[in-house]
Amino acid sequence: DTEVTQTPKHLVMGMTNKKSLKCEQHMGHRAMYWYKQKAKKPPELMFVYSYEKLSINESVPSRFSPECPNSSLLNLHLHALQPEDSALYLCASSQEGTSGNEQFFGPGTRLTVL
Amino acid sequence: GESVGLHLPTLSVQEGDNSIINCAYSNSASDYFIWYKQESGKGPQFIIDIRSNMDKRQGQRVTVLLNKTVKHLSLQIAATQPGDSAVYFCAENDIAGNQFYFGTGTSLTVIP
Repeated sequence: DTEVTQTPKHLVMGMTNKKSLKCEQHMGHRAMYWYKQKAKKPPELMFVYSYEKLSINESVPSRFSPECPNSSLLNLHLHALQPEDSALYLCASSQEGTSGNEQFFGPGTRLTVL
Repeated sequence: GESVGLHLPTLSVQEGDNSIINCAYSNSASDYFIWYKQESGKGPQFIIDIRSNMDKRQGQRVTVLLNKTVKHLSLQIAATQPGDSAVYFCAENDIAGNQFYFGTGTSLTVIP
């Protein structure tokens, strides 16, 4: 299995809602990532988990809360988002969180905040 | 056709022609580079990678060239096909390895 899967594909939420994005990989990768991508822009790193521990938080607002329940799963909990948070949220994984390891991307969740 | 990547974000080529997409990077400590292809509504897809101890790597119809002296990376696509139409991103991985830095991206349109 060489796939990263993400659910849901699309999500529409109000500013007072709480929702979660899910990501799963079964490649035995030990590093997982969340990226945010706005239209016509490159992906921007949000969080890195290495061996199920948060290793990088790129100064992301606390309304985004990541969670890594086990080595195959990565969640992103959303609460009190703003309309400007609407974007494509991409999950990726790599064998290790070190240089030289290709990141495999999921298809993304298209998030719209009303 | 050729683009400068960060400075000319769109490139149009005729089907069958070769395409060259360029990317400049700024971090001398970057030692691993990847080209990704992203089609509309999809996540980035790996095309080819190269490590800093190489200056050229070839795949199927694609070649990546790395010039560390001027911190420049290019992707050459031979015999460009309509299915190659997408946004192409270069990404650099610093030696610490924790994260990739993505370039601005170049939108490639192949004209049948």
